[in-house]
Amino acid sequence: DSGVTQTPKHLITATGQRVTLRCSPRSGDLSVYWYQQSLDQGLQFLIQYYNGEERAKGNILERFSAQQFPDLHSELNLSSLELGDSALYFCASSVAQGALNEQFFGPGTRLTVL
Amino acid sequence: GQQVMQIPQYQHVQEGEDFTTYCNSSTTLSNIQWYKQRPGGHPVFLIQLVKSGEVKKQKRLTFQFGEAKKNSSLHITATQTTDVGTYFCAYNFNKFYFGSGTKLNVKP
Repeated sequence: DSGVTQTPKHLITATGQRVTLRCSPRSGDLSVYWYQQSLDQGLQFLIQYYNGEERAKGNILERFSAQQFPDLHSELNLSSLELGDSALYFCASSVAQGALNEQFFGPGTRLTVL
Repeated sequence: GQQVMQIPQYQHVQEGEDFTTYCNSSTTLSNIQWYKQRPGGHPVFLIQLVKSGEVKKQKRLTFQFGEAKKNSSLHITATQTTDVGTYFCAYNFNKFYFGSGTKLNVKP
């Protein structure tokens, strides 16, 4: 158990819908990262927050948005869902924001868009 | 632009054989990390390499960072079925990148 929690575990929805994925980082970690992993694919970095502020942006679609709240939990919002958005979405956390930080991954949310 | 290639994509070995995965960059990296993802699981941090020519060992796993800090390798000696999974290198270049991963299958 990494100490990072993600809810829900599974999500099944239809095209065009909007969903929110939630992540709680490890106690004491200020940085939160979101990744997308499609079937048998690598991890695509989406976005990073540090202590409530956006720190780095990856290949995140305009239909997707995220935020980190004062209690440090984070939410990833996916809207106008398409079939291709079906994937595993991982949240990770680390103590600080820099490159030399081990990332602790949550169990992931499996999103299925029908 | 920044590009790191990870090879091979797949490796099937007999239990007891060795395994190596490589990450090769077109530019110098400040550091590199290695993660393991078991089937159905999430990535788990293994190690971080920072110094040129660095070699680190964890039991049967040996990690190397090249002298020019452009390549790295993970070598597993005498694989076991518990080594099954996908091994990713990861690095930061303004944002975070993971290599495409090497999927290791170990036949008992």
